[in-house]
Amino acid sequence: EIVLTQSPATLSLSPGERATLSCRASQSISSYLAWYQQKPGQAPRLLIYDASNRATGIPARFSGSGSGTDFTLTISSLEPEDFAVYYCQRELTFGGGTKVEIK
Amino acid sequence: QLQLQESGSGLVKPSQTLSLTCAVSGGSISSGGYSWSWIRQPPGKGLEWIGYIYQTGSTYYNPSLKSRVTISVDRSKNQFSLRLSSVTAADTAVYYCARAATYGDYVDYWGQGTLVTVSS
Repeated sequence: EIVLTQSPATLSLSPGERATLSCRASQSISSYLAWYQQKPGQAPRLLIYDASNRATGIPARFSGSGSGTDFTLTISSLEPEDFAVYYCQRELTFGGGTKVEIK
Repeated sequence: QLQLQESGSGLVKPSQTLSLTCAVSGGSISSGGYSWSWIRQPPGKGLEWIGYIYQTGSTYYNPSLKSRVTISVDRSKNQFSLRLSSVTAADTAVYYCARAATYGDYVDYWGQGTLVTVSS
């Protein structure tokens, strides 16, 4: 069973700053990784699939990279609506999440 | 635009069976290339995939829940259902129904979620 470990657990940043979130897999998963954003009281929303492809309607400030065991979600310049929890996912496994909070 | 809507009991007593249904609109549950899933999230915690069903009726369940879970599909009503037996307080969570692409298991549509509380 694949385990996905996300870091950091919490990221405190200001609007306009760059956010870098990490997801590490316990074994190689090629590029089969997705990222989701979840805001309080809402269902998650697909941001990135296949490690680096933006889902429909996702702004260009969101980008994903990586392959094998190490993956990164980057938000180039945080907008107020980007403060949320982010999860990575491979098959039926989700990472524990990274909360991006306002500093 | 595909929409998914969960319905069912919001309060279940310990040891009883949790039952939820997901109504799908704006698309057919019989479309190939997708699985129809249940995912849950305990309050303040992360996401846990419960299992999924294909339009063919074949299923896959999370091994940690397999002995208690049944997911079924009703194509005539364009809906699918979850039954989770012998519930405890640890099963208290927001339950989401969702559609995932067979390729990659990426979830592209989610229901709004429904909170199920296990309490006497």
